[in-house]
Amino acid sequence: NAGVTQTPKFQVLKTGQSMTLQCAQDMNHEYMSWYRQDPGMGLRLIHYSVGAGITDQGEVPNGYNVSRSTTEDFPLRLLSAAPSQTSVYFCASRQFSGANVLTFGAGSRLTVL
Amino acid sequence: AQKITQTQPGMFVQEKEAVTLDCTYDTSDPSYGLFWYKQPSSGEMIFLIYQGSYDQQNATEGRYSLNFQKARKSANLVISASQLGDSAMYFCAMRETDSWGKFQFGAGTQVVVTP
Repeated sequence: NAGVTQTPKFQVLKTGQSMTLQCAQDMNHEYMSWYRQDPGMGLRLIHYSVGAGITDQGEVPNGYNVSRSTTEDFPLRLLSAAPSQTSVYFCASRQFSGANVLTFGAGSRLTVL
Repeated sequence: AQKITQTQPGMFVQEKEAVTLDCTYDTSDPSYGLFWYKQPSSGEMIFLIYQGSYDQQNATEGRYSLNFQKARKSANLVISASQLGDSAMYFCAMRETDSWGKFQFGAGTQVVVTP
């Protein structure tokens, strides 16, 4: 099925460990983004990309890195996990034409101990 | 600065009644889009309805309608004839044309539909 695929769905890390959340979309969307969801704060933009090789910071970028080597993939890297990064992470993509609806992945729940 | 404000953290509604979820926004961009998403307890984000800033008529999608009051910068979601399956978190979001069309989300409103 076409859409946005995120892996893993659940992950537990220890403080200081690194990991990568994977995101892939097969809709040929130019725009891809990562959000984190925390209770009472809605979704906050971490990083986004408007095409292969182009990334930029969102509202809460500290502690996260991204790259976009292909149109399809947009991985999110946590270099040294901290308890404050415990959250649910969503990858979302959209095309630039039309209503520009964001299509979301299923989410990844990350716990940092 | 918060650009999307949802003032109702949670609300209860009886089955078959209508419910209005409030959303106000702040932008100086003349071209923008307003969106509502539903997040059931299973966690996925489901797109419900879209309103463009230049659209003359309020958007409707089945039981969902968007009460768009541009001068008041308000984009309230109305769910008619509530069903038990409407119990979920609802998020209002805005996309501005500048800044590559980044989406900003409100804090959400938790809706519980009771029999």
